[in-house]
Amino acid sequence: AQSVTQPDIHITVSEGASLELRCNYSYGATPYLFWYVQSPGQGLQLLLKYFSGDTLVQGIKGFEAEFKRSQSSFNLRKPSVHWSDAAEYFCAVAYTGTASKLTFGTGTRLQVTL
Amino acid sequence: EAQVTQNPRYLITVTGKKLTVTCSQNMNHEYMSWYRQDPGLGLRQIYYSMNVEVTDKGDVPEGYKVSRKEKRNFPLILESPSPNQTSLYFCASSLSKASDTQYFGPGTRLTVL
Repeated sequence: AQSVTQPDIHITVSEGASLELRCNYSYGATPYLFWYVQSPGQGLQLLLKYFSGDTLVQGIKGFEAEFKRSQSSFNLRKPSVHWSDAAEYFCAVAYTGTASKLTFGTGTRLQVTL
Repeated sequence: EAQVTQNPRYLITVTGKKLTVTCSQNMNHEYMSWYRQDPGLGLRQIYYSMNVEVTDKGDVPEGYKVSRKEKRNFPLILESPSPNQTSLYFCASSLSKASDTQYFGPGTRLTVL
């Protein structure tokens, strides 16, 4: 069964510091990988997605993620965090063979200190 | 404006009292789904629909029903709610399948006493 692991439940970084959120997915051919962000009291918004091609993908709000097939990882990064980035971040995976199913990780809550 | 709407946004009810949470999208999307979000568990898929009159179970369908009579609407029905269905519910839609970008509604916070 497809699955996603986000090993960090909660991360705290200082404003201006760099950020990396980890995501590992279960092995499968041609994964579709996503990062969504949920601000307090809001729905989820897509940050970026990977389907194929360049393994480094750029998203909104200055975020990027790198797909590493050998490590089954899709980590999210940002060079300099802003206080407004405080939110919960979800990694998700779908596969071409299961067009109906999108599986989410358990989320990482990001706290930004000033 | 392209959007997914859910109603109500907040609901407190009692065990066994049937309720419906509505979901509507104005993007002509074929794929719609319902998720519940619980602390430490992330989002789990309840039901999904690939098109009108085509629905199927997700990971946690017990205690829920859905229908897709029109393309734009995908209501979630709790025939006999129980306290373990207290949760935050999200409706989402996408062009045609789960691997397309999902557009989420604002969420419905349900409390079952």
